[in-house]
Amino acid sequence: EDKVVQSPLSLVVHEGDTVTLNCSYEVTNFRSLLWYKQEKKAPTFLFMLTSSGIEKKSGRLSSILDKKELFSILNITATQTGDSAIYLCAVEREYQAGNNRKLIWGLGTSLAVNP
Amino acid sequence: KAGVTQTPRYLIKTRGQQVTLSCSPISGHRSVSWYQQTPGQGLQFLFEYFSETQRNKGNFPGRFSGRQFSNSRSEMNVSTLELGDSALYLCASSWRGGSYGYTFGSGTRLTVV
Repeated sequence: EDKVVQSPLSLVVHEGDTVTLNCSYEVTNFRSLLWYKQEKKAPTFLFMLTSSGIEKKSGRLSSILDKKELFSILNITATQTGDSAIYLCAVEREYQAGNNRKLIWGLGTSLAVNP
Repeated sequence: KAGVTQTPRYLIKTRGQQVTLSCSPISGHRSVSWYQQTPGQGLQFLFEYFSETQRNKGNFPGRFSGRQFSNSRSEMNVSTLELGDSALYLCASSWRGGSYGYTFGSGTRLTVV
């Protein structure tokens, strides 16, 4: 059965700290891995990763994928209170070649950044 | 361009009633997926509609149903509401169901009393 596991489930840090969020997966017919940030309601897109070892970067956030060990990490450096949110990881799998795709979601990591 | 629009934003219903939620996808997106989100349970996939057909389905009872119209707008219906149905219901649209352009709406907060 397909599964996506995120760790830790929750995390409390102080402003300025660096955090690493983990996402491991066991998914058949992997196509891509996505990270989303959910602050209040709508999750917003952060990164899509398809190739191993290539770091995606956006400001203080970065992410990398390891397709051999089946995991991804999301790093946030110099955290700010505005980074407080739930970070969601999803893996896209394909059911029939080019026809049907589905996202498998982890439970998320709840990050709280204290001033 | 306009994002994914969900209505209503908030809803309070009584046990036993039924409810219909609406989702208007981004223009050009043909796939609409529905999720239930509760604390500790994460995003639970309900179903996905693509070109008016249900293409994928999660593990929810038959009280949860949906449909998609020719303009790609989708509705989700929950009949015989239970207290445990209280949750944030999110929809997401994409061009053809994959990860490219996968965009969420702001959700409908349903409270069952």
